[in-house]
Order: sequence, then C-alpha cells, then structure tokens
Amino acid sequence: AQTVTQSQPEMSVQEAETVTLSCTYDTSESDYYLFWYKQPPSRQMILVIRQEAYKQQNATENRFSVNFQKAAKSFSLKISDSQLGDAAMYFCAYRSKVNYGGSQGNLIFGKGTKLSVKP
Amino acid sequence: GAGVSQSPRYKVAKRGQDVALRCDPISGHVSLFWYQQALGQGPEFLTYFQNEAQLDKSGLPSDRFFAERPEGSVSTLKIQRTQQEDSAVYLCASSRGPQNTEAFFGQGTRLTVV
Repeated sequence: AQTVTQSQPEMSVQEAETVTLSCTYDTSESDYYLFWYKQPPSRQMILVIRQEAYKQQNATENRFSVNFQKAAKSFSLKISDSQLGDAAMYFCAYRSKVNYGGSQGNLIFGKGTKLSVKP
Repeated sequence: GAGVSQSPRYKVAKRGQDVALRCDPISGHVSLFWYQQALGQGPEFLTYFQNEAQLDKSGLPSDRFFAERPEGSVSTLKIQRTQQEDSAVYLCASSRGPQNTEAFFGQGTRLTVV
C-alpha cells in the first residue's frame, strides 16, 4: 500500500520570503501522480501543482515549484515570494495510475503542514 | 453549478441518530469521490462512483456507512446510528472522468456527534 508522509506539522515564513514544504512517499509503482493541495479555513481543497512520475522535469506554477526526487521518493513544494494569502494547510497527495479492482484515481494524502505567513 | 456543492455545511447529531450528507458535483463529471477528514489529519478515501456505479467502497469504515448516486449526478452519504468517532469533515470531489487527474473538491460537511 502507498503511504505519504509530511514531517513538518507547522511551518512559518516571512512575507516575500521563500519556504519549502517536505513530503516523502512510499510506493512500489513506477508511474503515478503526485499533488500538492492547499486547504484554507473554508475547507475547500485547491489544487496547487501536480507532477507525473515519468516526467523528469519539475513542475512549476507561477510562484509554486516542486523538487521531485523519484529515487529518493521525495516531493517538496517551494513557495517563492510568499503572500499572506498563502497561509493555509498544505497536503501532499499520491495517486496511482493503475486501476485496482475498479478504483480510479482516489488520492492518498499526508497529514498536512500548516503554513503561517508573517507580515 | 460552477463548483462542487455540499450540504449541509455543518451538522450536529446526537449519538445514535442517522444523518445524510449531500454532494452535488460539477455538471457532467463522471467520477465522484467521498473522503473523511478527521481533525488534524489528511482526508481519507471512503468510496468512489463512476456515474451511478459504486466501483470502490473499500474505505467505508463500517456497515453503518452507505453511499449512493442513483442517477449518476447527486450523491448522498448516509451514516446510520452515528457514533462520536464519526465526527469529522466529509469531503466530496468530482472529476470529468477516470483518466482526468484534476479532482474538484467541495467545501465539505463538518459533522459533530454529541
């Protein structure tokens, strides 16, 4: 079974600075997807960035980028030029590409990292 | 609607009461997922629908949990004889189809069992 581990329960960053959130995962599969989701107090999960495991190039979305180390099973999120609106819970998630017995794409989440942004 | 809609947003139930949580996915979305998020934890998968077919219910924690999507659009998650450990946020997500990686989430229902 796949697992996702986020070892930082809380992180803090100064506005306009850069912060990196860590995520490691365990899987025996060779191809899969990895995601970072943001969950503000409204509780709605918002997709921040996604990575396909077979793509070696790290994904980027504006101020958000990842450092994907497949051999190390590591998938960290870097937020540059942090803004007050970035404060939220951040979840790392894994999704298999293989269809097991009818399941199609459920996400496996880590426990999350609470990010605070100081003005 | 423009997004995934869940109702109610908050529900307080007395222990032993039955509850029904509703999810209205994005129109045309084939895939629908339910997740349970306990306080301070990440969401955990409960069940998956492809149209009206419930293809995976491996995450349902007990036979008190039941989900349906009879016409392939709106889904209801029912919890019978609620217990305190059922207190959590219940999130619904939909996507266009099994091959689509982007899942759109609703704002969830926070269930408190007293």
